[in-house]
Amino acid sequence: GQQLNQSPQSMFIQEGEDVSMNCTSSSIFNTWLWYKQDPGEGPVLLIALYKAGELTSNGRLTAQFGITRKDSFLNISASIPSDVGIYFCAGHLAYNTDKLIFGTGTRLQVFP
Amino acid sequence: DTAVSQTPKYLVTQMGNDKSIKCEQNLGHDTMYWYKQDSKKFLKIMFSYNNKELIINETVPNRFSPKSPDKAHLNLHINSLELGDSAVYFCASSQRLTNTGELFFGEGSRLTVL
Repeated sequence: GQQLNQSPQSMFIQEGEDVSMNCTSSSIFNTWLWYKQDPGEGPVLLIALYKAGELTSNGRLTAQFGITRKDSFLNISASIPSDVGIYFCAGHLAYNTDKLIFGTGTRLQVFP
Repeated sequence: DTAVSQTPKYLVTQMGNDKSIKCEQNLGHDTMYWYKQDSKKFLKIMFSYNNKELIINETVPNRFSPKSPDKAHLNLHINSLELGDSAVYFCASSQRLTNTGELFFGEGSRLTVL
């Protein structure tokens, strides 16, 4: 089936550092979304992107919809301990906008 | 007031048993989903209903049967449970027409098959 490859798989960083993760696919997507999952919880939406090339910020988070529509990145600046969790990219394929496909996830650990 | 609520949160059962997970949303959304998250945290869509009509049915064993009595409820029944069914099952909802892409997830139901 369709797959969104996320990298890195996991990150261990110090508080205050910036973080960058990305998501790639061989298919074209209509939307890209970034979710965060805390332990014992369901994923929660952080940022949504709807147009190729779009760059959107939400506080310390910035995400971009790749110009080829096959990739996206998420940056977190000045990380804090509560940024710990699993970050997922997700997207709707151009030919099937009913199905939201999730990436493989990036596990972020922040050390004080 | 919980937006998407699932019950039970934890379920431990023996192989071969039948079990159900219930989901309710009070967001007024018209579309609901079941996702399965395995031990490696991969999130995979299983089913989706729009206004009680099945619109997504991924390659899932027919031991899994979803039921949507109305657009605010989507239940998942699993027959003859197997060890590989152990996972966290997430219910989610969205509004299809506006389709901003945002899904609202429940807290998950952790199923352990022994």
